[in-house]
Order: sequence, then structure tokens, then C-alpha cells
Amino acid sequence: GQNIDQPTEMTATEGAIVQINCTYQTSGFNGLFWYQQHAGEAPTFLSYNVLDGLEEKGRFSSFLSRSKGYSYLLLKELQMKDSASYLCAEKDSNYQLIWGAGTKLIIKP
Amino acid sequence: NAGVTQTPKFRILKIGQSMTLQCTQDMNHNYMYWYRQDPGMGLKLIYYSVGAGITDKGEVPNGYNVSRSTTEDFPLRLELAAPSQTSVYFCASSYGDSSYEQYFGPGTRLTVT
Repeated sequence: GQNIDQPTEMTATEGAIVQINCTYQTSGFNGLFWYQQHAGEAPTFLSYNVLDGLEEKGRFSSFLSRSKGYSYLLLKELQMKDSASYLCAEKDSNYQLIWGAGTKLIIKP
Repeated sequence: NAGVTQTPKFRILKIGQSMTLQCTQDMNHNYMYWYRQDPGMGLKLIYYSVGAGITDKGEVPNGYNVSRSTTEDFPLRLELAAPSQTSVYFCASSYGDSSYEQYFGPGTRLTVT
């Protein structure tokens, strides 16, 4: 089956930069999503990558390497409100989303 | 637009009881999804629909049923609730297939005891 791997938890300091990695199985790959989920709330869309490279959207950027089965989400100028879980999801050959368990990001002052 | 709405927000069921989780979207999206989210696990797709009258199984459909009689509504039915169905349930919709951003409802937290 498909496996999405991302770290369970990360800690960073307010104002700093953090990179959250995600690896996936390359067979049947059709795209990769990042979602943000605050505790007790619904996931909300951050980015979608289909082609290799970096896509920047304000303080958040997402990178994809299809040959390596690897993506990362880069968060700059961290704010306390960025404390949340970040979910990586792969669109597979059946055109369904396979979700990672999420990375809980803790921001400290 | 209200987006995607779900009711109820919380529910406690006894083993063997049945219930329907309601989901409505007002964005005229064709695609709708039901997921469950368990602690420490990724979202798991239960059922999805690509339009009114069309539904299909996802990864974990056992113990659940759905219907899609209108574009707006996509209820999820639990028959004979079991403790393994204790979870947070999210309904989502999208304009098109899984290439498109999914919009999620606020979730239903269900406990089966």
C-alpha cells in the first residue's frame, strides 16, 4: 500500500524558519497536497504541487522532488498562530488522497 | 456562503445504535467525501461521491452507508455502531476530482460506548 511519512512533532521558535518533510512512494504519484489543521478544527488547504520545484505563497513555500518521493513545507517568520498540525497528502494512481498522520508543530516564544 | 456544514458536532452512541451524520455544502461542488480521523493516524476515506446519484467506496467503508440524492447533501449512515467507530468524522467537498482543493466541514466527534 501507499505510505506517507512525516515527523510526528517539531518545535520551533517564534520568528524562525522551520521545514517539515514528507516522503511518499513514487509509484502512481499524481500530486501532493499540504493542509494545515489547528487543534479541534478542520484541515484547510495550503498548497498543491504536481511539478518539481519550489512554490512560494507568502510565508509558506512547498517543494517537490518527484524522483526522490520527497516534499517539504517551509514556514518563515513563524508566528504563534502557526502552531498546528501540518498534513501531507499524496494523490495516488486511483486519484484518491493518501494522507500522512500529520506533523504537530509547536511554536515557542 | 456557509461552506460545508456538519451536524451534530458531538454524539455519544451505545453499541448497536444507529445514526446519520449530516453534511451539506452550498458551493455547488460535484465531489463530496467522508473521512474519519483517529488520533495519530492520517485521514481515512470512507465514501465519496462524484455527483448526485453516484457514490463509491473509499478505503474504510465497512459499517457505513451513504446516499447522494442532491448536489448539496451527502449524509453518512452508521448502522449497528461499534467502539471501533469512535472517531472524528469530516465531510469535505471539492469543485472537481482530487486535483482540487478540498473544503472541510467542522467535523463530528463520535464516541461509541
